[in-house]
Amino acid sequence: KNEVEQSPQNLTAQEGEFITINCSYSVGISALHWLQQHPGGGIVSLFMLSSGKKKHGRLIATINIQEKHSSLHITASHPRDSAVYICAPTQGGSEKLVFGKGTKLTVNP
Amino acid sequence: EAGVTQSPTHLIKPRGQQATLRCSPISGHTSVYWYQQALGLGLQFLLWYDEGEERNRGNFPPRFSGRQFPNYSSELNVNALELEDSALYLCASSWRVGTIGEQYFGPGTRLTVT
Repeated sequence: KNEVEQSPQNLTAQEGEFITINCSYSVGISALHWLQQHPGGGIVSLFMLSSGKKKHGRLIATINIQEKHSSLHITASHPRDSAVYICAPTQGGSEKLVFGKGTKLTVNP
Repeated sequence: EAGVTQSPTHLIKPRGQQATLRCSPISGHTSVYWYQQALGLGLQFLLWYDEGEERNRGNFPPRFSGRQFPNYSSELNVNALELEDSALYLCASSWRVGTIGEQYFGPGTRLTVT
């Protein structure tokens, strides 16, 4: 079993739809990153959170440490949100990121 | 503020040779992380340097090594290149507050082994 499971693996949405990507992990963590990777490879860190909820523009990330689960939400999705979204918990005490396989999001106009 | 920079953008090397990849962290960041993303595989942790010392290492052979300089920039060396070393190599940096630091990624170096 992978240490980090993301769902869905692929997601296609229409512009304006509300998107949810889920992440479950089995490792003990100190924090969790949500990353965005566009075609070509560049990675952008969207959030790092260790509890509760964070919001940045149309993006919202939540984490439940007890349930070992995090979600990334995108409100009013837009074609420019099309990318791979990667969940990456930080293994407790090591600062080592453990990566999910990513969710490929395609938002159609 | 300048982000994390990496050089070169692309690198093509024959099998058996050595590759050197470079990373400059965001000003003020003391930790540098190296990751490998091979084609069809997910991101994997390679190395973590902080304050000039190697702090943690992923499950990679000793052919993968690196160092961090006094200005916190870092170098990743891959010796005796093998075809499966072809990958995107990403560097990230962070400023650790306690034990947690948000990592900011560079654009990557795409290494092709021929």
